[in-house]
Amino acid sequence: GDSVTQMEGPVTLSEEAFLTINCTYTATGYPSLFWYVQYPGEGLQLLLKATKADDKGSNKGFEATYRKETTSFHLEKGSVQVSDSAVYFCALSDRGGGATNKLIFGTGTLLAVQP
Amino acid sequence: GAVVSQHPSRVICKSGTSVKIECRSLDFQATTMFWYRQFPKQSLMLMATSNEGSKATYEQGVEKDKFLINHASLTLSTLTVTSAHPEDSSFYICSANAPGLRLFFGSGTQLSVL
Repeated sequence: GDSVTQMEGPVTLSEEAFLTINCTYTATGYPSLFWYVQYPGEGLQLLLKATKADDKGSNKGFEATYRKETTSFHLEKGSVQVSDSAVYFCALSDRGGGATNKLIFGTGTLLAVQP
Repeated sequence: GAVVSQHPSRVICKSGTSVKIECRSLDFQATTMFWYRQFPKQSLMLMATSNEGSKATYEQGVEKDKFLINHASLTLSTLTVTSAHPEDSSFYICSANAPGLRLFFGSGTQLSVL
């Protein structure tokens, strides 16, 4: 079945460092891909998404490009801040067109940014 | 933005007791709610999908008699873990949406069964 694999954490970076969190997927068909973020004590929030190959999702300085050839959706940010410390979840929807009804998640990656 | 409230955030109970977790959509009517579970170092796994006024649809391998889901109104869904055992200790999280809205998540409930 469909699945998502993301790098294990925790990832510890200094402020202003470059961030990459790897995410790869296996899916039949053409899934939509998402990154969710969970700040301490809060629910998961949609960070960005991409609905078809070569789409780039971006938000708050974070970016991820839907790479069909490598089945990847790596999350990147050029300069992280302490406020970016959170758990990041990669996910796919087995419905196309960005529908988010049924999501398959990765394990989550804890990012800790130190001042 | 839309808010989903989940309570309690943490619960510790004795083996054999039942625990109820509530999930409320505060400013929209959630036609569909989802319940997920996450064991340490594993993925968030969908347990069941519930539509208001109808029986929940459970994912394969999830015991419907153990994890009772009620979605009696458009703003409230509850998950009851019946006769909880230590192996049920996990992080449970709900999400909700409605047509035209994206998915919104609660903050999760950490259940520890002693």
